[in-house]
Amino acid sequence: GNSVTQMEGPVTLSEEAFLTINCTYTATGYPSLFWYVQYPGEGLQLLLKATKADDKGSNKGFEATYRKETTSFHLEKGSVQVSDSAVYFCAPGGEYGNKLVFGAGTILRVKS
Amino acid sequence: DGGITQSPKYLFRKEGQNVTLSCEQNLNHDAMYWYRQDPGQGLRLIYYSQIVNDFQKGDIAEGYSVSREKKESFPLTVTSAQKNPTAFYLCASSRRKSLQETQYFGPGTRLLVL
Repeated sequence: GNSVTQMEGPVTLSEEAFLTINCTYTATGYPSLFWYVQYPGEGLQLLLKATKADDKGSNKGFEATYRKETTSFHLEKGSVQVSDSAVYFCAPGGEYGNKLVFGAGTILRVKS
Repeated sequence: DGGITQSPKYLFRKEGQNVTLSCEQNLNHDAMYWYRQDPGQGLRLIYYSQIVNDFQKGDIAEGYSVSREKKESFPLTVTSAQKNPTAFYLCASSRRKSLQETQYFGPGTRLLVL
């Protein structure tokens, strides 16, 4: 089945710092790859996705590139804001009915 | 606006009591899911349903039950057999049960034991 290893947190950054959250996965077939974000007290929402190798997903200044050769989907943002403070989950999808597996989540705290 | 609603936001359970968490979606999605989230952990799948009147167990189904009598609704019952029910419960849906599809989440229900 699928599995995912996500960078442990919490990650604490100052406003306008550069962010990287690492994610590597194992999966059969050619999965779509997702980053979800969870703001305090809320459910998850899709941040970005990529559906095939070398695709770059982007949204709200966040980016992640589907690297099939390294089975990675690292999340980056050039300049974080206090409002980006949340928990970020990496999740590889999959074919043939594999369960969607979420990483443990990385807490991001951005200080002003 | 289309989306997923969960109620109540907070739910308190007494010992030996069954409680039911509501999940409704108006996205016309075929697939629905229930997840449990414990502090500092990822999401674990409890049950999922691909279509009306059909559902399958996830990784941690013991002590839980579900029904899918309508496309829009997927209630979760936490039974007295679930010995450690305190958690944040998230309902989600997707257009179909393909893991290439985006899942849309509700705001969650926090269950606490009295």
